[in-house]
Amino acid sequence: NAGVTQTPKFQVLKTGQSMTLQCAQDMNHNSMYWYRQDPGMGLRLIYYSASEGTTDKGEVPNGYNVSRLNKREFSLRLESAAPSQTSVYFCASSENSLAVGNIQYFGAGTRLSVL
Amino acid sequence: GDSVTQMEGPVTLSEEAFLTINCTYTATGYPSLFWYVQYPGEGLQLLLKATKADDKGSNKGFEATYRKETTSFHLEKGSVQVSDSAVYFCALSEYNTDKLIFGTGTRLQVFP
Repeated sequence: NAGVTQTPKFQVLKTGQSMTLQCAQDMNHNSMYWYRQDPGMGLRLIYYSASEGTTDKGEVPNGYNVSRLNKREFSLRLESAAPSQTSVYFCASSENSLAVGNIQYFGAGTRLSVL
Repeated sequence: GDSVTQMEGPVTLSEEAFLTINCTYTATGYPSLFWYVQYPGEGLQLLLKATKADDKGSNKGFEATYRKETTSFHLEKGSVQVSDSAVYFCALSEYNTDKLIFGTGTRLQVFP
């Protein structure tokens, strides 16, 4: 049972390069999320998608774009990477129903360094 | 806006010691409350949750009680093990919303 799968696990970029972080879930969840984790700041929401075909900005969306390709996949794109985007990125998904509430399931993370 | 405040770490304990990690929250409505745990090199995973006042969430020997009067959800364990060493995150979710709001995390280090 894979759960939430993120690729790649590690990435080093030069300033100005672009890349896409991939995320897929196999739990048939409606909602998907992208977070970044920085020391002393917990997790901050970048973008989320409440359902296929919809996306919304979170707390720190600047410099990022997202695509909800289908119900399973939710990608995060950095068009022109900056050193401030050095972080650990987590994807999560949630059924988010009244029955179970907003329990989120997380991937293992992508560790990104921008030089 | 809604927010979660956790005690700063690291919390350093000897094996079999009693653990408390404090968490307080600010919310406009009646949120659900969660504790997530992150082991080294991994993503977060749900440890326990409580959905209404006076509920007690429990799992793997950890407990937390939803206290509306003190807006708190402190995490406790009677006897910690080395394998409990991790970062613990308190979080809330307002009713009928899609988002979780996390605290900054508390690192726990347990030594034999």
